[in-house]
Amino acid sequence: GAGVSQSPSNKVTEKGKDVELRCDPISGHTALYWYRQSLGQGLEFLIYFQGNSAPDKSGLPSDRFSAERTGGSVSTLTIQRTQQEDSAVYLCASSPGSAKSGQFFGPGTRLTVL
Amino acid sequence: GDSVTQMEGPVTLSEEAFLTINCTYTATGYPSLFWYVQYPGEGLQLLLKATKADDKGSNKGFEATYRKETTSFHLEKGSVQVSDSAVYFCALIGGGSTLGRLYFGRGTQLTVWP
Repeated sequence: GAGVSQSPSNKVTEKGKDVELRCDPISGHTALYWYRQSLGQGLEFLIYFQGNSAPDKSGLPSDRFSAERTGGSVSTLTIQRTQQEDSAVYLCASSPGSAKSGQFFGPGTRLTVL
Repeated sequence: GDSVTQMEGPVTLSEEAFLTINCTYTATGYPSLFWYVQYPGEGLQLLLKATKADDKGSNKGFEATYRKETTSFHLEKGSVQVSDSAVYFCALIGGGSTLGRLYFGRGTQLTVWP
């Protein structure tokens, strides 16, 4: 079946612009996660959605970052007023209600802020 | 807080050599433990997992045993191949839960020469 998909695969933007990154999780997976991967910081957790519960936003680095998940499926990560330090690969993952099978990752969106 | 420490790379081996990548963790409760692999130019893939003490996860010739007494989850393979060249990440979900965020180690780059 289809895996986690993310779009766009690459995004180049200018400092100060807003960007939106999209994630389509595996059908039927109730949990959705955003991480980012950068050379200096490794893999960082950003935010986590589980069903209809309030999201765990504890990893968002600043109030410029926000995310929503509509209809329990697709999620959008928005970064406002982008900065050069936001350049990274943004990864989305999903897992079923019982995540003993692990989290399944999409291919990522590579964001470059000029 | 929860954390993962894995051996620094890079690790360079000849084909058919034995591989060990060390991973130790700090966590409250009983974490679930994972190894993820990232092949060049690709996304993160779940390699193996263990959800309770003394469990052994295995996949593609790789093994790791959940050792509660030493808080370790070392990755091993008896005979590596060139195709195993990748970055390997040890990770945990803490507190006995299998939902919630993953805590990742910094990753270990493995290069296998023919």
